[in-house]
Amino acid sequence: GENVEQHPSTLSVQEGDSAVIKCTYSDSASNYFPWYKQELGKGPQLIIDIRSNVGEKKDQRIAVTLNKTAKHFSLHITETQPEDSAVYFCAASITNTGNQFYFGTGTSLTVIP
Amino acid sequence: EAQVTQNPRYLITVTGKKLTVTCSQNMNHEYMSWYRQDPGLGLRQIYYSMNVEVTDKGDVPEGYKVSRKEKRNFPLILESPSPNQTSLYFCASSYGTGGNEQYFGPGTRLTVT
Repeated sequence: GENVEQHPSTLSVQEGDSAVIKCTYSDSASNYFPWYKQELGKGPQLIIDIRSNVGEKKDQRIAVTLNKTAKHFSLHITETQPEDSAVYFCAASITNTGNQFYFGTGTSLTVIP
Repeated sequence: EAQVTQNPRYLITVTGKKLTVTCSQNMNHEYMSWYRQDPGLGLRQIYYSMNVEVTDKGDVPEGYKVSRKEKRNFPLILESPSPNQTSLYFCASSYGTGGNEQYFGPGTRLTVT
């Protein structure tokens, strides 16, 4: 099955700096890559996603890039704010056969005011 | 309000005592899924369902059962719980058969002694 690896496991940045979280996947058939944010005591919430026919997607301060050749995708958060502090998960899925989801192990992001 | 609800939110039980965790969504979503979250392991998919009476195994289905008799409900059944099933469980749902934003419930903290 698919294997998703996520790095780093913890990340601390100063407020206003950028944060980058990277994920790799093993199955070249994966075609849907969402990113979820989980705040303490809550369920994960989608923040951005990308499909395999797109190389980059932006939504205000958040962007995701996908390199299908290298089988890796990254989350970029610019101008970080304390409310960005949370655990972030990447995931990969093959949407046309079964729609099983494989998540990374998570990155705990701390934004220092 | 569009939401995924889970019950109970917290449960402490003993080895071998059958239990059911309920999951319900009010968004008319076709896709529903169960995950377990363990420290250092991220989210792992247990079972998922692409519609009524259609269920498939995820990455870690051993020791669990599910059913999808109605579109809105997707209960998780542990017929003979063991201590290694102590975990935080999340139910999620999404529009269509996958490849779309998943809406997560608030989680169920299960402890098996």
